[in-house]
Amino acid sequence: DADVTQTPRNRITKTGKRIMLECSQTKGHDRMYWYRQDPGLGLRLIYYSFDVKDINKGEISDGYSVSRQAQAKFSLSLESAIPNQTALYFCATSSRDSLGRNTEAFFGQGTRLTVV
Amino acid sequence: AQKVTQAQTEISVVEKEDVTLDCVYETRDTTYYLFWYKQPPSGELVFLIRRNSFDEQNEISGRYSWNFQKSTSSFNFTITASQVVDSAVYFCALSEWQKSSGDKLTFGTGTRLAVRP
Repeated sequence: DADVTQTPRNRITKTGKRIMLECSQTKGHDRMYWYRQDPGLGLRLIYYSFDVKDINKGEISDGYSVSRQAQAKFSLSLESAIPNQTALYFCATSSRDSLGRNTEAFFGQGTRLTVV
Repeated sequence: AQKVTQAQTEISVVEKEDVTLDCVYETRDTTYYLFWYKQPPSGELVFLIRRNSFDEQNEISGRYSWNFQKSTSSFNFTITASQVVDSAVYFCALSEWQKSSGDKLTFGTGTRLAVRP
């Protein structure tokens, strides 16, 4: 089983619908992230969380919300999906080193979301 | 301003050629970390290396090598004797700590490498 699991893997939804992307991890990491990938734009950070009570906006948080239900679960919601939210979404986790800094991030396999 | 710049959008080489992927970063953090990730056509993101800002030694791992130059804020990645299996998108990333946002991991836009047989 994958250490970082995203569900669903693919989703087509209509404009205006609410959709939730889920992420769970078995690595025991404190830190979790949501990124979106668009061609030519790389990976852009949507939200990140250092623990259950610590959630931070990334560079493109408008139109998205998150919930850290437990250390192992971090969900991303699109309250009212729009076509320009069509993208590949990645969840990631990382740990902390002895200085409290990010170690390498481990990524889920991605969720391909299409908003029509 | 871009925190991580990968100016090369696409590179195409013939197998066995050496290729260098450039990464330039910008940060005010004195202790920061740099990463490289590989995204093969299958889509997953594969971690390659993590380097902290105090360690300027170059690193070699098989056909891969990394050149970290603090003076030019660059962390370049070289593949020696490239192979078709090296074809992928390669991302450089920066982890920096900011008072307002904590420890944030920011990616560049990626370089697509195509290795032709």
